[in-house]
Amino acid sequence: GAGVSQSPRYKVAKRGQDVALRCDPISGHVSLFWYQQALGQGPEFLTYFQNEAQLDKSGLPSDRFFAERPEGSVSTLKIQRTQQEDSAVYLCASSSRLGTGNEQFFGPGTRLTVL
Amino acid sequence: QQQVKQSPQSLIVQKGGIPIINCAYENTAFDYFPWYQQFPGKGPALLIAIRPDVSEKKEGRFTISFNKSAKQFSLHIMDSQPGDSATYFCAAKLMGNQFYFGTGTSLTVIP
Repeated sequence: GAGVSQSPRYKVAKRGQDVALRCDPISGHVSLFWYQQALGQGPEFLTYFQNEAQLDKSGLPSDRFFAERPEGSVSTLKIQRTQQEDSAVYLCASSSRLGTGNEQFFGPGTRLTVL
Repeated sequence: QQQVKQSPQSLIVQKGGIPIINCAYENTAFDYFPWYQQFPGKGPALLIAIRPDVSEKKEGRFTISFNKSAKQFSLHIMDSQPGDSATYFCAAKLMGNQFYFGTGTSLTVIP
């Protein structure tokens, strides 16, 4: 079936605007992760869902960042009042099982540029 | 601070060579160590992974060597090909599914 999809692929926002980034995980995958990847860096963990429950949001950099997965499938990462330092690629990943060591399947990412 | 330290930042090898990428960590609570390959404009894709109770794992041309006492692990790519040119990330996972990634190694394999 299809892999993880993300939309939009590219987003340009003016400083202060709100943005919403969407992730469609692989159908049936229980776990969903959001990461932020700055240019030339590795992905940095933002938050993790198990079904609709947000189990860990310790990586969210500020209260301007908010994520939800209301029905346990599609997830949205919202950034309010965007700042230039929010410019990065936002990656979504899903995995099929609970527990340790499960393969994460990554989407292509959304490249956010804040002017 | 950087939980997983990766080196080198970039690497150039001839086709057929064996590039080696190294990672080090401090947190002994990590319980799973994957390596990812990322091409431009794509998300990372899992290459190979190891648990800390194993010292070596091989899958095809890719081998992970794991030294638990030194808290280091490395990726070896045998018989490297131009198609292996990509950015490689090591990572480490804590219980609770929080992954920490290295800063990446840009590999170029020259034909």
